[in-house]
Amino acid sequence: GAVVSQHPSWVICKSGTSVKIECRSLDFQATTMFWYRQFPKQSLMLMATSNEGSKATYEQGVEKDKFLINHASLTLSTLTVTSAHPEDSSFYICSALSRGSAEAFFGQGTRLTVV
Amino acid sequence: AQSVAQPEDQVNVAEGNPLTVKCTYSVSGNPYLFWYVQYPNRGLQFLLKYITGDNLVKGSYGFEAEFNKSQTSFHLKKPSALVSDSALYFCAVRDRAMKSSGDKLTFGTGTRLAVRP
Repeated sequence: GAVVSQHPSWVICKSGTSVKIECRSLDFQATTMFWYRQFPKQSLMLMATSNEGSKATYEQGVEKDKFLINHASLTLSTLTVTSAHPEDSSFYICSALSRGSAEAFFGQGTRLTVV
Repeated sequence: AQSVAQPEDQVNVAEGNPLTVKCTYSVSGNPYLFWYVQYPNRGLQFLLKYITGDNLVKGSYGFEAEFNKSQTSFHLKKPSALVSDSALYFCAVRDRAMKSSGDKLTFGTGTRLAVRP
């Protein structure tokens, strides 16, 4: 199957700093990428959907100024958590979908800990 | 709107016994259905999918699932469980034709499978 690489796999940052998470599709063109957040022992919560070259569409309740998403190319999307706070600590997962495909492929996830 | 229900938070089974993890869905049109497995601090690993065709879908690691349109179900099964199957399992649905939901996958709440030796 197709490969989606997410980096870093874990990160610890100080409160007030920003953290960038990258999501790359390695062997296909990802026209759409999704960013999820997962709290311990809970399901995946969709944060936003991004299409290459256009602004991301955020789900209700997700602060777009706090979670900046960029999808500048067909193989790369980034999520930047700005001015991170301890409550932003979570597991973040990206997935990528190519046009016309039924199946999205998932990255390995990033464990963010804000101290 | 599309939705997925996984009615069991946890399923316990003895190694060697068959296992079933339940999933029901709701979509306006025809569904794409998926099962994923997640190990601690890892992303989702794809197990199997139903797109079209045979209702019985075979996937990775000996898992299979049966699409039942009348019952709107897509239960995950395995004839003989292994201790290494212990993990968190997610069912997901995408409506093929629903423009408002775009390409979004909707996940169930997950079912933790515990296989005892």
